[in-house]
Amino acid sequence: QLQLQESGPGLVKPSETLSLTCTVSGGSMSSNTYYWAWIRQPPGKGLEWIGSIYDSGTTHYNPSLKSRVTISLDTSKKQFSLKLNSVTAADTAVYYCARPTIATPYYMDVWGKGTTVTVSS
Amino acid sequence: DIQMTQSPSSVSASVGDRVTITCRASQGISSWLAWYQQKPGKAPKLLISAASSLQSGVPSRFSGSGSGTDFTLTISNLQPEDFATYFCQQANSFPITFGQGTRLEIK
Repeated sequence: QLQLQESGPGLVKPSETLSLTCTVSGGSMSSNTYYWAWIRQPPGKGLEWIGSIYDSGTTHYNPSLKSRVTISLDTSKKQFSLKLNSVTAADTAVYYCARPTIATPYYMDVWGKGTTVTVSS
Repeated sequence: DIQMTQSPSSVSASVGDRVTITCRASQGISSWLAWYQQKPGKAPKLLISAASSLQSGVPSRFSGSGSGTDFTLTISNLQPEDFATYFCQQANSFPITFGQGTRLEIK
């Protein structure tokens, strides 16, 4: 059964870069089969899609974050990563990695447990 | 971007009740809609895809309907484990967008 696990610093200083990795276990990261996504949830608020990457490396980003976001894929390590630069307190959130169902980038049926990132000096 | 609006933002109900949550899209999305359940401190769980297709293992008391711009999630015979927050999400196009959530509380 596929499992996802987020990892990375829990505290990031304002103006610095938030870097998170999602490690895939219990399954493969096959070529041209799945999308992989990052979603975040600020404290007490709703869900915000950050972006998605296809097995081929094609990316889609939330326009509100596009200028600051990079999502990359390393299938040899079975990982995909998120970098968000120039962070502010508004980027404080639980960050989830997720994988949608096959053949569509939209229905997130596998989720990591989430990792809390606080932006503070 | 497609805006998703849920109502109500919160609802109180009792075990055994039937509850309906509504989600409206700012433009037509056919049946490209998902519903998620989220419990405190946990990741969301996909309940329904394509507006009405129940995911494997999801109890049949959950049902979804609608197309175009208006959708509903209905939970019949509420069970204690159903008290959670529910989100809709449009699956029509990027950027992916979610409703603001509906918190289902015990009366």
